[in-house]
This record gives sequence, C-alpha cells and structure tokens, in this order.
Amino acid sequence: EDQVTQSPEALRLQEGESSSLNCSYTVSGLRGLFWYRQDPGKGPEFLFTLYSAGEEKEKERLKATLTKKESFLHITAPKPEDSATYLCAVQARQGAQKLVFGQGTRLTINP
Amino acid sequence: DTGVSQDPRHKITKRGQNVTFRCDPISEHNRLYWYRQTLGQGPEFLTYFQNEAQLEKSRLLSDRFSAERPKGSFSTLEIQRTEQGDSAMYLCASSSFLRGTGELFFGEGSRLTVL
Repeated sequence: EDQVTQSPEALRLQEGESSSLNCSYTVSGLRGLFWYRQDPGKGPEFLFTLYSAGEEKEKERLKATLTKKESFLHITAPKPEDSATYLCAVQARQGAQKLVFGQGTRLTINP
Repeated sequence: DTGVSQDPRHKITKRGQNVTFRCDPISEHNRLYWYRQTLGQGPEFLTYFQNEAQLEKSRLLSDRFSAERPKGSFSTLEIQRTEQGDSAMYLCASSSFLRGTGELFFGEGSRLTVL
C-alpha cells in the first residue's frame, strides 16, 4: 500500500530561521511527488512537482528536493506569511490519477 | 480563471439524512476530483472524473456515496443516510490535461457536520 509520512507534525520557527520539512514515502513505482500549501479553512494550493531522484525545484524562499525514499522542503529565511500546513503527496503507477497525501506539517513563523 | 467553486461551504445535518455537494471546476479543465479531509489529516482520495466518465473510485467510498459529472461540467457528490463518521471537509479539485497530472486546483471545500 502506498504511504506518505511527514515530519515533524508541527514546527515553530522565528522569522529568518531556516529549516527543512521531511516527507518519506513508499510507493509502487513513483510517477510524481507533489508539495502543496494549505492555509486554515482553504483548499490546498499547488507548489511543486518532482519526478525523479536528484531533482530540485525552487520558488521564492522554498526549495523542494527528492531522493528515492524521501523529499525535503527547505525553507530559507522564512517570513510570517509562510505560516501554513505543508502537504506532501505521491502519485503511483502509470495511468492512476489518485494522489496519496501525508498528514502535513503545520509550520508557524513567529515575527 | 475564476477558480474551483464549491457549494454549500458549510452543511449541518442530522444522522440519517441525505446531503449533496456541488462543484464547479475551472471551465477548461476536463479532470475533476473529490477528496475528503478530516482535522489534522491530509486529503483522502474519493473519486476521479475525466470529462463525464468516472474513471477511478476509492475502495473507501461506500455504497452510500455517489458522484456524478453530467455533460463533463459541474459535479455533485451525494451522501445518503449520513453517519457521524462522514463529518469532514469535502474538497473538489480540477486539472487540465495540458498540465502535470498532480497539479490540482482545489476549491475551498464543503464542511459537513453530522449530528
């Protein structure tokens, strides 16, 4: 069964304090790994797609990386507006549309 | 691009009643998805439509759940004989065949509370 585990469950940082969120996965043939951001009371918002080990994507203060077993979301010099829940998801098997999500990491950036 | 629209945003019902949620996807998107999310958890896949065809359905979707997408435009998700365990946020998402299959645009969700 495809599984995604994210750690830590919650993380509090001071503004400007860089850190990383982890996403470990087991999947039968990875088709893609995705990062989403979710604000309270809202639907998830797409951030990145990673397809193969070694791939990296960047957007503003966020950088996502991928290995064969896990992905990291690095946050550099975060600001309070980066506070949100960050979700990782995998898509398995060619032709399947289902995304399997982790439980998310709730990130709080204190000013 | 007006985004994915869901209605109603909140629904409170009594156990045993039927409820229906509506989703209007982004107009040019031919793919439509329903997910369910409970507090502190990530979204959980329910079903997928490509145009009007329902191509994937989760084993978690009991016989009380049914989804339709007539004419490949809006979609409805109906839950019959609701149970307290059905309380959750029901999220609709859409995507275009021109983008990666995991790049979904989510609506703000319909929150269901079953008393």
